[in-house]
Amino acid sequence: GNSVTQMEGPVTLSEEAFLTINCTYTATGYPSLFWYVQYPGEGLQLLLKATKADDKGSNKGFEATYRKETTSFHLEKGSVQVSDSAVYFCALSDGFQKLVFGTGTRLLVSP
Amino acid sequence: GAVVSQHPSWVICKSGTSVKIECRSLDFQATTMFWYRQFPKQSLMLMATSNEGSKATYEQGVEKDKFLINHASLTLSTLTVTSAHPEDSSFYICSARDTDRFGETQYFGPGTRLLVL
Repeated sequence: GNSVTQMEGPVTLSEEAFLTINCTYTATGYPSLFWYVQYPGEGLQLLLKATKADDKGSNKGFEATYRKETTSFHLEKGSVQVSDSAVYFCALSDGFQKLVFGTGTRLLVSP
Repeated sequence: GAVVSQHPSWVICKSGTSVKIECRSLDFQATTMFWYRQFPKQSLMLMATSNEGSKATYEQGVEKDKFLINHASLTLSTLTVTSAHPEDSSFYICSARDTDRFGETQYFGPGTRLLVL
């Protein structure tokens, strides 16, 4: 079945450092791919999405490119801020609006 | 953006009792809502899809008689954990589907933590 694998955290960075959170997936067909973010005490928020191969999703300085050949959707940001500290979830949708999530990666950014 | 609320945010109950969790879309109407369960340090697992005015669709392995879902209006879905036992202790999260600049998007509630003693 469909599955998503994320790097384990926590990822600890200093402010203005470069961020990469790895995500790979296993799916039949051509899923849509998502990154969600969960700030402390809040619900999951959609950060970005991509619906087909080579699409790049971007939002708030974060980017991720749908790589079909490597079945990956790595999240990147050029310069993180303390306010980016949160848990990041990679997910895929099989086209029926059902989301399959990775385990989440906690990001801690220090000043 | 769209806001989804859950109530209560946490609940402690005795084994054998039933617990109802509410999920509301506050500023949009949602014909479809989803219920997830999350164990510590694990993924969110989809339990069921709730459609307004019809029966919920449960994922394989989820007991429909144990987890009763009602989606009686376009802004409210409820999950009732019947005859709760300690193994039902978990973090329950709902989402509601809406359409925004990303296309069809699931908006998530903040979750309800259930502890069964």
